[in-house]
Amino acid sequence: GNSVTQMEGPVTLSEEAFLTINCTYTATGYPSLFWYVQYPGEGLQLLLKATKADDKGSNKGFEATYRKETTSFHLEKGSVQVSDSAVYFCALILYNNNDMRFGAGTRLTVKP
Amino acid sequence: EAGVVQSPRYKIIEKKQPVAFWCNPISGHNTLYWYRQNLGQGPELLIRYENEEAVDDSQLPKDRFSAERLKGVDSTLKIQPAELGDSAVYLCASSFALAGGSYEQYFGPGTRLTVT
Repeated sequence: GNSVTQMEGPVTLSEEAFLTINCTYTATGYPSLFWYVQYPGEGLQLLLKATKADDKGSNKGFEATYRKETTSFHLEKGSVQVSDSAVYFCALILYNNNDMRFGAGTRLTVKP
Repeated sequence: EAGVVQSPRYKIIEKKQPVAFWCNPISGHNTLYWYRQNLGQGPELLIRYENEEAVDDSQLPKDRFSAERLKGVDSTLKIQPAELGDSAVYLCASSFALAGGSYEQYFGPGTRLTVT
């Protein structure tokens, strides 16, 4: 089946540290990949996306590259801020299919 | 542009009571989704509508859950009767989806349900 596996949290970093949150996927077709972020008490917000192999999605200093050979879509940021503290979800959706599958989420806490 | 609107934001009920959640999607979005998010987990799809039609309700517990989207715009999700295990955040999302593509979904803030 189609599924997403994220690195388990929680992740705690100091401000300005480098962030990596690993995400791998299993899909029967050719998926589009997404990272969503959920701030406390809010719904999910789209952070970035990539629709084909080798595409790089980027937004607000976050980046993720669609790696078909390793079926991965790891999220990175070079210098995190306290305001980046949130839960991050990796997700996939198959082409011509609106069934979106989410990972379990990774909670990030950034300390000053 | 207004986002996805949900109400109420919070609801506390006793088990065996009914409860309903309302969602108004982004204007022009033809596809509407209801998800359930348990604590510490990602959202799981309950039902997906394309316009007025429920095209995927395979994960909806139909003995107690029902949903409707009568005019292809806003939607209501109902639980009757509620059980303790229904405590979760219920998220509504919408997208504008055409055949032959895959589209990001836009989420509302969710309704946090507590069943006591």
